[in-house]
Amino acid sequence: EPEVTQTPSHQVTQMGQEVILRCVPISNHLYFYWYRQILGQKVEFLVSFYNNEISEKSEIFDDQFSVERPDGSNFTLKIRSTKLEDSAMYFCASSVIDPGREGPDEQFFGPGTRLTVL
Amino acid sequence: AQSVAQPEDQVNVAEGNPLTVKCTYSVSGNPYLFWYVQYPNRGLQFLLKYITGDNLVKGSYGFEAEFNKSQTSFHLKKPSALVSDSALYFCAVRDANDYKLSFGAGTTVTVRA
Repeated sequence: EPEVTQTPSHQVTQMGQEVILRCVPISNHLYFYWYRQILGQKVEFLVSFYNNEISEKSEIFDDQFSVERPDGSNFTLKIRSTKLEDSAMYFCASSVIDPGREGPDEQFFGPGTRLTVL
Repeated sequence: AQSVAQPEDQVNVAEGNPLTVKCTYSVSGNPYLFWYVQYPNRGLQFLLKYITGDNLVKGSYGFEAEFNKSQTSFHLKKPSALVSDSALYFCAVRDANDYKLSFGAGTTVTVRA
């Protein structure tokens, strides 16, 4: 069964450093998402991406964050200058069709990247 | 704004007994409701969804959920729990005009042999 994959599984970085989290969505999916879960808190939406542009973002997704689909398979989340409070599990997800217009479809999640900022 | 509440942090049941995990939601438009399960070191796995139609929806691994519009609830159920059902369960909601999922805090289910 096709799966969303994420690398690395665990990333440790120093405060102020840039990190790139990588995801390979399911191949025929068109919508891509990033969520995060700070330890002990809810899973929170960060951003959705369709047709090479951001379709929606939360207030968490400020100028320090960016997303990119550099080729036909990868989807990346970049944090330009990490802060201690960015420490969290970051989940990538993808879905087949446009959930806003053609009806909802479930999102398939990757296993997550645990980001630790020291 | 949309939100989900899972009132129980933990649910403990004996194997073979029925399992219920509670979820209530708040959304401005028509709700699209989902249940996901997370096993240790794994991503969120989709279990089932309610979009429209029958209030009782059936999903993977023998799970089902009942949509109750008047109570704004979407409780997850399984008639006979297995030890292997022990995991973290998340309820999520989407507004019909939105892209993002809003998750509950999660309920840890422990099924004892």
